[in-house]
Amino acid sequence: AQSVTQPDIHITVSEGASLELRCNYSYGATPYLFWYVQSPGQGLQLLLKYFSGDTLVQGIKGFEAEFKRSQSSFNLRKPSVHWSDAAEYFCAVGARSGNTPLVFGKGTRLSVIA
Amino acid sequence: GAVVSQHPSWVICKSGTSVKIECRSLDFQATTMFWYRQFPKQSLMLMATSNEGSKATYEQGVEKDKFLINHASLTLSTLTVTSAHPEDSSFYICSARDLAQETQYFGPGTRLLVL
Repeated sequence: AQSVTQPDIHITVSEGASLELRCNYSYGATPYLFWYVQSPGQGLQLLLKYFSGDTLVQGIKGFEAEFKRSQSSFNLRKPSVHWSDAAEYFCAVGARSGNTPLVFGKGTRLSVIA
Repeated sequence: GAVVSQHPSWVICKSGTSVKIECRSLDFQATTMFWYRQFPKQSLMLMATSNEGSKATYEQGVEKDKFLINHASLTLSTLTVTSAHPEDSSFYICSARDLAQETQYFGPGTRLLVL
């Protein structure tokens, strides 16, 4: 079965501290992996995606993620968090082609404190 | 990245009326669009997959006669909530798949409140 697990429901970090959001997936085929961010009352914005090649991918807003096939993980990282990063973060997995929708994790809510 | 718009961004309606929500891909063509519903502090719940020129595919438990989906062109899909009731109040988000980038892009969402 296809699934995405985000083990952390809520994380609080201090501004300027580093951040890692965990994501594990289960997918039958070669996965396409995504991280989206959602601010309150807004839609989802694509942060980054992994299809193939270099397992460390860079995204917008200073985020990066590393694909580890052996661990079925695609963790999101940022070296120094800003207060504006407070939001809900969703990891998703999908197929390369066709009209198959993405499978989403339940999300991790990030709070940033001064 | 590609841009997806939704209209309206929020709507308040009386119980029993119908509400139409539009989803447009602004700078790419989307043969496939998706409609999601999101409850407060929860993840997205896929309602249906909308394919241009054909009938939508609904997820289990979603009433197709209540949530009418039309995907008449490569840049527009509409969701009509028919005979809306207070329990239909929610945040509805559409997504369009950009084939060239093999990526789903999301609209800003529509907040529906049924009184």
